[in-house]
Amino acid sequence: DIQMTQSPSSLSASVGDRVTITCQASQDITNYLNWYQQKPGKAPLLLVSDASDLETGVPSRFSGSGSGTHFSFTISSLQPEDVATYYCQQYDHLPLTFGGGTKVNIK
Amino acid sequence: QVTLTESGPVLVKPTETLALTCTVSGFSLSNTRMGVSWIRQPPGKALEWLAHIFPNDEKSYSTSMKRRLTISKDTSKSQVVLTMTNMNPVDTATYYCARIVPFYFAMDVWGPGTTVTVSS
Repeated sequence: DIQMTQSPSSLSASVGDRVTITCQASQDITNYLNWYQQKPGKAPLLLVSDASDLETGVPSRFSGSGSGTHFSFTISSLQPEDVATYYCQQYDHLPLTFGGGTKVNIK
Repeated sequence: QVTLTESGPVLVKPTETLALTCTVSGFSLSNTRMGVSWIRQPPGKALEWLAHIFPNDEKSYSTSMKRRLTISKDTSKSQVVLTMTNMNPVDTATYYCARIVPFYFAMDVWGPGTTVTVSS
């Protein structure tokens, strides 16, 4: 199975800060990566597919990049409503696998 | 509007078999390319993908769970069923079903989840 390692596991930042989360795959997954946001007590929400394609309706402050084994997810200007846990998920090989998550809080 | 809703027992005993149902609306399990995935999340832990099924009956399972899982669909009822045998307290989790987009294997619409506790 492909292992997905996210870092950091949690972070605190101020409103307006630029926040970057990384996701590393245990082998080359090309750009076959999705990103999800999960707010407390809620189901996850798909934000980014194919490593960098923003889903319809997702604010433009969110972005994804990367290829191969290293990927990034960035919030360009952190907002209070962005408090959530963010997960990456690879689909290069079955079984599908998620990263361990990154919890984002407001400082 | 696409919706998915999970249903099943809230409490199961160790060694029992769990059966969860995902009822979908707004898309077809037979004549679209969209599939349905099951994902679980133990309290305070990360998401874990379990299985998926597509309209052509293509199925895939988690490596660690595949001996215990069976996924099936009833297109006439718009339902996908996941059974998990030999339940253990470590299987206590919120179980989600989600629509899965082919090729991207992106889970673009999720149900609200159902919480299952395994305890004697």
